[in-house]
Amino acid sequence: DIQLTQSPSFLSASVGDRVTITCRASQGISSYLAWYQQKPGKAPKLLIYAASTLQSGVPSRFSGSGSGTEFTLTISSLQPEDFATYYCQQLNSYLTFGPGTKVDIK
Amino acid sequence: QVQLVQSGAEVKKPGASVKVSCKASGYTFTSYGISWVRQAPGQGLEWMGWISAYNGNTNYAQKLQGRVTMTTDTSTSTAYMELRSLRSDDTAVYYCARDRTRRGMDVWGQGTTVTVSS
Repeated sequence: DIQLTQSPSFLSASVGDRVTITCRASQGISSYLAWYQQKPGKAPKLLIYAASTLQSGVPSRFSGSGSGTEFTLTISSLQPEDFATYYCQQLNSYLTFGPGTKVDIK
Repeated sequence: QVQLVQSGAEVKKPGASVKVSCKASGYTFTSYGISWVRQAPGQGLEWMGWISAYNGNTNYAQKLQGRVTMTTDTSTSTAYMELRSLRSDDTAVYYCARDRTRRGMDVWGQGTTVTVSS
């Protein structure tokens, strides 16, 4: 199975900060990667697919990049509603999720 | 509107089985797959498997092979996930999601809590 790692596991940031989360795959997955946001007690929400395509309705402060084995999710200016846990997911084979990155208020 | 509505919470004893339903509305059910994802308390997301609502083809996570069965009823636009031989570590919130294959899971059910306890 393809394994995903995320860094950092935990991130403390302030409103307005630029935030970057990295996801690494154990083998190449082309651009078959998605990013999700999850808030406590809620279902995950799709933010980005195909590594860099913004899902309809998602604010443009979210962006994704990368291909092969290394990917990033960037929030250009953190807003109060962005404090949540973020997961990457590989869509290449036997779908797997990364362990998550919790973004907390500094 | 496009939505997935799941069945209610379940409490089961170890060794029992559970079957969770996921009713789709607002879109053509057979045009998409359904994935099932679970989340143990305080833990991350675990993909359990996928079923094509078009032809019933399935793809299960290797660790659940032999214990999980996913089915659909196209007459009612409902997907089902049955998990057998339940153990305490199957205690989790179970989600269904509309799966656009390599374009991600864009619509999610509200989640069903399954508790396994003696």
